[in-house]
Amino acid sequence: SQTIHQWPATLVQPVGSPLSLECTVEGTSNPNLYWYRQAAGRGLQLLFYSVGIGQISSEVPQNLSASRPQDRQFILSSKKLLLSDSSFYLCAWSHGTSGNYNEQFFGPGTRLTVL
Amino acid sequence: EDQVTQSPEALRLQEGESSSLNCSYTVSGLRGLFWYRQDPGKGPEFLFTLYSAGEEKEKERLKATLTKKESFLHITAPKPEDSATYLCAVPFTSKIIFGSGTRLSIRP
Repeated sequence: SQTIHQWPATLVQPVGSPLSLECTVEGTSNPNLYWYRQAAGRGLQLLFYSVGIGQISSEVPQNLSASRPQDRQFILSSKKLLLSDSSFYLCAWSHGTSGNYNEQFFGPGTRLTVL
Repeated sequence: EDQVTQSPEALRLQEGESSSLNCSYTVSGLRGLFWYRQDPGKGPEFLFTLYSAGEEKEKERLKATLTKKESFLHITAPKPEDSATYLCAVPFTSKIIFGSGTRLSIRP
């Protein structure tokens, strides 16, 4: 069975510090990978998605970036955090094959607080 | 513009009081509709996929139905542990468009 991991679970960082959040998927190959952000009581905002190694699509211009160095590893980064980056960050995966089977499966999330 | 709209935003029910949540969409060429459950501080948990109008899926006290313009999540005789935010979503190429969710609260 497939499993998705995210770490850390919680993170408190000062304004202007760098960020690196990691997501890994087990039990599948060539997944599509996604980073979302969810403000308190709000909906999901898609930040980045990737259909393969080194292939990143950005949905929202901001001071965040994403990388996919390995097939099942997805990293969310920032060089300098802003207060507005405080949020709940979610990684998700879906099967990479085309067709109707593109449900997304989510990780446990990372709660980021920027002070 | 492709959109997914959920109603109501919040719903409070007494334990055992059945009701329905609505998800309407304006996406051309629908390739499925997903329902998720999200508990506070956790990632969304996948519940159902519906592919075509008339299709129904069930899981415990939940039943999801789909028409050409909307989907309903029926909850029968809910229990307090059914309290959560329920999200619907529609796939669009390699992405998914999520609704803003219905926050369901079941009082014992």
